[in-house]
Amino acid sequence: RKEVEQDPGPFNVPEGATVAFNCTYSNSASQSFFWYRQDCRKEPKLLMSVYSSGNEDGRFTAQLNRASQYISLLIRDSKLSDSATYLCVVNRGGSYIPTFGRGTSLIVHP
Amino acid sequence: DVKVTQSSRYLVKRTGEKVFLECVQDMDHENMFWYRQDPGLGLRLIYFSYDVKMKEKGDIPEGYSVSREKKERFSLILESASTNQTSMYLCASSPGGGIRNNEQFFGPGTRLTVL
Repeated sequence: RKEVEQDPGPFNVPEGATVAFNCTYSNSASQSFFWYRQDCRKEPKLLMSVYSSGNEDGRFTAQLNRASQYISLLIRDSKLSDSATYLCVVNRGGSYIPTFGRGTSLIVHP
Repeated sequence: DVKVTQSSRYLVKRTGEKVFLECVQDMDHENMFWYRQDPGLGLRLIYFSYDVKMKEKGDIPEGYSVSREKKERFSLILESASTNQTSMYLCASSPGGGIRNNEQFFGPGTRLTVL
């Protein structure tokens, strides 16, 4: 099992749709979880951290399921500008060293 | 705002040349990282550093070395560039000091082509 796995997509959704991505991780000792967004030919940027209690930022909600070892990202009311690649990041054990998933591509169309 | 800068956006080198990629961060971060990103493979960690003069191998260190003589600067060195090192190179930094301080800030990347 790869350390961090994501469905590469692409997820092709209309504006206004709700879309969810999952990311599984293999190291049960991991303690830091993040979602990053990467636009084409740009560097990754932090979208949100994922805490045990889950967190919400506007249209974006992130959840952590430790028992099943996955994190999720839910995007409500998708906008054209949400089109990007979403990278799941899990730190290795209790360290600060990250492992990046290969990313999930989202395309929001009119 | 944290700023991470990389010395070049685009670089073209010949096989066998020694290549230096420079990265500078301006927020006094403890940790710095070098990645390469290739289509279908995602970001792969080459080397990282948690302090001045300290370095650790990442997942794909072969053919690379690094230098961190000052806290704000982390250099990636390709001793003898090869065509399979053609890639996008991304530098990142993170504050350090606890698991909640692991957010990575990335530079704009250097697209290196080795002919």
